[in-house]
Formats: sequence, structure tokens, C-alpha cells
Amino acid sequence: AQSVAQPEDQVNVAEGNPLTVKCTYSVSGNPYLFWYVQYPNRGLQFLLKYITGDNLVKGSYGFEAEFNKSQTSFHLKKPSALVSDSALYFCAVRAGSGSARQLTFGSGTQLTVLP
Amino acid sequence: AAGVIQSPRHLIKEKRETATLKCYPIPRHDTVYWYQQGPGQDPQFLISFYEKMQSDKGSIPDRFSAQQFSDYHSELNMSSLELGDSALYFCASSSGQGLNEKLFFGSGTQLSVL
Repeated sequence: AQSVAQPEDQVNVAEGNPLTVKCTYSVSGNPYLFWYVQYPNRGLQFLLKYITGDNLVKGSYGFEAEFNKSQTSFHLKKPSALVSDSALYFCAVRAGSGSARQLTFGSGTQLTVLP
Repeated sequence: AAGVIQSPRHLIKEKRETATLKCYPIPRHDTVYWYQQGPGQDPQFLISFYEKMQSDKGSIPDRFSAQQFSDYHSELNMSSLELGDSALYFCASSSGQGLNEKLFFGSGTQLSVL
């Protein structure tokens, strides 16, 4: 079975500072990893994904994530946080092989960027 | 660009009633996923369809059923509603597999069971 852990329910960071939202995963075989952001009363918006290739993935709105196979991690990062980045962030995983294509989501991390 | 459309946006039902949620995927997307997100919870996979056939099944109760139609839209039918069914129901669609696959989510249907 595949699973995702987001160890922090809440992350607070000052505007302009770098931010990190942590994610670790468990899956059989090669992982496909995703980050989604959710604003209040809105659907999940795709930020970035790792399928293969460079371990550092760049996505929307200046976000990036680093795939670390040995640590089974896929932490989301941004060099300089904006107040508008405040939202709920979900990490998700699925196996890279096999017929099952559904995502398994982490429990989410509420990011608050303080002005 | 067209996105995933879900209707209705909000739905209020009473216990033991039935509800039908609709999802219209992005044109030319062949796969639809349904997710349930309870208050303060992460999205939980319910069921998916690929080319109008059920492809995977997750934690969908027996009281729920779903199908994908010839125009690729999908409907989630919920019967004998319970208070615990109150949640945000997301539909997502995708096309392609492997390197090109990416899920696009709708804004969800907020179901409240009273």
C-alpha cells in the first residue's frame, strides 16, 4: 500500500523568508510524486510533480521540490515566501507502475505566511 | 482553458435521501477520479473510470455508485445518506499516462447532510 506523511499540520513563516513543507512517502517501486495547493472553498491546484529525471523539480508560483530517494522525501520549498502563498498544501504519491493510477494524499500542511 | 466542471457546487440533503453529483472532465481526458474530503481531512480516493469502465475502487461505501458515460462525464450516486457523508466531493480528470499524467481537479461539490 502507498502512503504519504506530512509531519507538520501547520507551518508559519515570515514573508520574504524561505519556506519548507515536508513530505515523506512509501510506495512500491518508483514513485510519482505531486504537490497540490488548496485555497478555502476551492479545488486542489497542481503545483508540481516528480516522475523521473532531475531530483529538483520546479513548479508553479516559484515553488520547487526536491526528490530524495534514500530518505523517501519530497519536500516543497520556496526561496522567498509571499503572504498570498498562505494555503493548505497536500503532498500525494502513486506508484509509477501497475494499473492503479489513483493518488494517495498526505494529511495536508497549513502554511501561513506572516506579513 | 476549460477546466473540470462539477455540479452542483453545494447540496443540502437530509438523512436517508439520495444525491447525484456530476462531473464533466476536461475535453479529451479519458480518466475520471472521485475523491471525498471530510472536514479537516485529506482527500480520500473513492473510485475511478478509464474509457467508461471502472478502473479502480477505493473507500467507496456500498451505498454509493458511479459511472462514466459515453461523453466521458461521470456521476456519483449516493443513497441512504448519512450525517458522516457530509464532505467535499472532488472530481479529477486526466489524460495520458506515465510521464505526461497530471490530474486536474474540479472545485468540488460541498454536500451537507442534515
